[in-house]
Amino acid sequence: NAGVTQTPKFQVLKTGQSMTLQCAQDMNHEYMSWYRQDPGMGLRLIHYSVGAGITDQGEVPNGYNVSRSTTEDFPLRLLSAAPSQTSVYFCASSHGQLNTEAFFGQGTRLTVV
Amino acid sequence: DQQVKQNSPSLSVQEGRISILNCDYTNSMFDYFLWYKKYPAEGPTFLISISSIKDKNEDGRFTVFLNKSAKHLSLHIVPSQPGDSAVYFCAASGGTGNNDMRFGAGTRLTVKP
Repeated sequence: NAGVTQTPKFQVLKTGQSMTLQCAQDMNHEYMSWYRQDPGMGLRLIHYSVGAGITDQGEVPNGYNVSRSTTEDFPLRLLSAAPSQTSVYFCASSHGQLNTEAFFGQGTRLTVV
Repeated sequence: DQQVKQNSPSLSVQEGRISILNCDYTNSMFDYFLWYKKYPAEGPTFLISISSIKDKNEDGRFTVFLNKSAKHLSLHIVPSQPGDSAVYFCAASGGTGNNDMRFGAGTRLTVKP
């Protein structure tokens, strides 16, 4: 039982490049979300999804796109990377709403140079 | 604006003693609170939660206390064990709905043998 799987674990991008962070869960959870963790800031919600085909913005959505075509997958896209997007990104899923117990992936450490 | 604050970046306690981790919040609309534990290079894992209709919730060695009038909650770990050494995040939801999750910056707990 893999839980929440994120790929890649590490990534270095040049400013202006695009990339997609992958997230997959095998628990049949309805809710999925993306957070970024920065020093001294805790985790901040970027985007979330309450089910396939439904997404919404969180606290810090600018510069990121998401889609939810299946229950299992919730990719996060950076269209034009900026140094301010250097962070550790966590994907999470939960059976109920976001304020219920969430299961997190191991994280993706992204550096934009 | 940081609506959830963990003012102690670190805490060190002796094995077998009590660990008390504190969390303050500013948004009176928050009505559900969670604690997550995070080990290095791993995603956060859910520890315990409490609804605003309660002032205490207990799960084994972990107890969370909520003081709504003071907008303060605390996590007590008794007795502390070396395996409890981790970063602890306080989270709150309900500010603009159940999918509005706000995290504190975390407190690094070190339990010394």
